[in-house]
Amino acid sequence: GAVVSQHPSRVICKSGTSVKIECRSLDFQATTMFWYRQFPKQSLMLMATSNEGSKATYEQGVEKDKFLINHASLTLSTLTVTSAHPEDSSFYICSAKVRGLGETQYFGPGTRLLVL
Amino acid sequence: EDQVTQSPEALRLQEGESSSLNCSYTVSGLRGLFWYRQDPGKGPEFLFTLYSAGEEKEKERLKATLTKKESFLHITAPKPEDSATYLCAGGNEKLTFGTGTRLTIIP
Repeated sequence: GAVVSQHPSRVICKSGTSVKIECRSLDFQATTMFWYRQFPKQSLMLMATSNEGSKATYEQGVEKDKFLINHASLTLSTLTVTSAHPEDSSFYICSAKVRGLGETQYFGPGTRLLVL
Repeated sequence: EDQVTQSPEALRLQEGESSSLNCSYTVSGLRGLFWYRQDPGKGPEFLFTLYSAGEEKEKERLKATLTKKESFLHITAPKPEDSATYLCAGGNEKLTFGTGTRLTIIP
């Protein structure tokens, strides 16, 4: 149980284009989903928190217009990196909390983004 | 400011050599202390949630314990497949992660 998927697993795009990453909870309803970014050999940095049907809450220093988050349902959240640049290249990971089961977050497998 | 510190940064053990990883935390309104395992190029895999001081949880060769200021992840008789980065996180509404301990088990 508590399986989270992400799609795509890897994406390469040209500078200036937009990229959408999907995060799905496969076998549970997620009250809250989170988006993280991880640089090589560093820990996870929280970018934003999203609740179904409401606007995402972004962490300090994260550009809302650059990283668009949509939480369309209790099982789907999307992160769109708009007008991507090489400095946006990173490992993006989503997580979800299970409705009614406390604060434990279950993570997806991650998406490797490379912007050329 | 919430803070989670893990030590050591890296640990190399011979197969079968038991040891412990440390996680010190100061997290306001702590609702749980979490341990995850992360393999290279993958998302973190959930291991344990600890809620109160004195609590212990076990899974195969791993045992997690919690005090008011620290958590320990004990690994008993590790095998090469236990090699990974182990992440600790303190949680209220959000998780604050430590930088992890990179564990290598040598056959």
